[in-house]
Amino acid sequence: KAGVTQTPRYLIKTRGQQVTLSCSPISGHRSVSWYQQTPGQGLQFLFEYFSETQRNKGNFPGRFSGRQFSNSRSEMNVSTLELGDSALYLCASRSGLAGESETQYFGPGTRLLVL
Amino acid sequence: AQSVTQLDSQVPVFEEAPVELRCNYSSSVSVYLFWYVQYPNQGLQLLLKYLSGSTLVESINGFEAEFNKSQTSFHLRKPSVHISDTAEYFCAVSHRGRAAGNKLTFGGGTRVLVKP
Repeated sequence: KAGVTQTPRYLIKTRGQQVTLSCSPISGHRSVSWYQQTPGQGLQFLFEYFSETQRNKGNFPGRFSGRQFSNSRSEMNVSTLELGDSALYLCASRSGLAGESETQYFGPGTRLLVL
Repeated sequence: AQSVTQLDSQVPVFEEAPVELRCNYSSSVSVYLFWYVQYPNQGLQLLLKYLSGSTLVESINGFEAEFNKSQTSFHLRKPSVHISDTAEYFCAVSHRGRAAGNKLTFGGGTRVLVKP
């Protein structure tokens, strides 16, 4: 099976702009989670979507939002970008089925630079 | 709430020497435990996991970790490292039970630098 894919891999934006990141989970997986990785804060959970519904949300401002489509692909949107939003954004998928349901598999990430 | 502490931010080690990366967690409920590895400019790769059963788990590339419930630890070990093991290693936990969702809480990471 193909792994988790994320597009784009690299992105440069300026303050005040908005950005949309995309994630395609492993085929058959129903859950997608998003994480932000920065040198200062480390890896932090943003939100999880399961069958098109947000199941869990981290402690991030409302500028960070997401959605999941019927084919389990997910998008993450950040509006009114700030310099501090520069980070590696990682997407992870899990099957949602019994047994292996708790294991998350990560994509390569999208590196966002806000100037 | 849960938290994960990786006691060493950096671990230099010579090739073919053993290495141990320490991970302690705090949680009010039962957890699943994971180790992920991140190579430069890449995402996270699952190294090994403890979901249930034997408290000693092994990976295909020689790493092992032991879940110690009384000490709330999940230390990672490898008896003989290779240059290719140079990477950053992250310990993570998630709550058991679907009601809690599947959020992973990560430690701060341990950078392993293998020297020839």
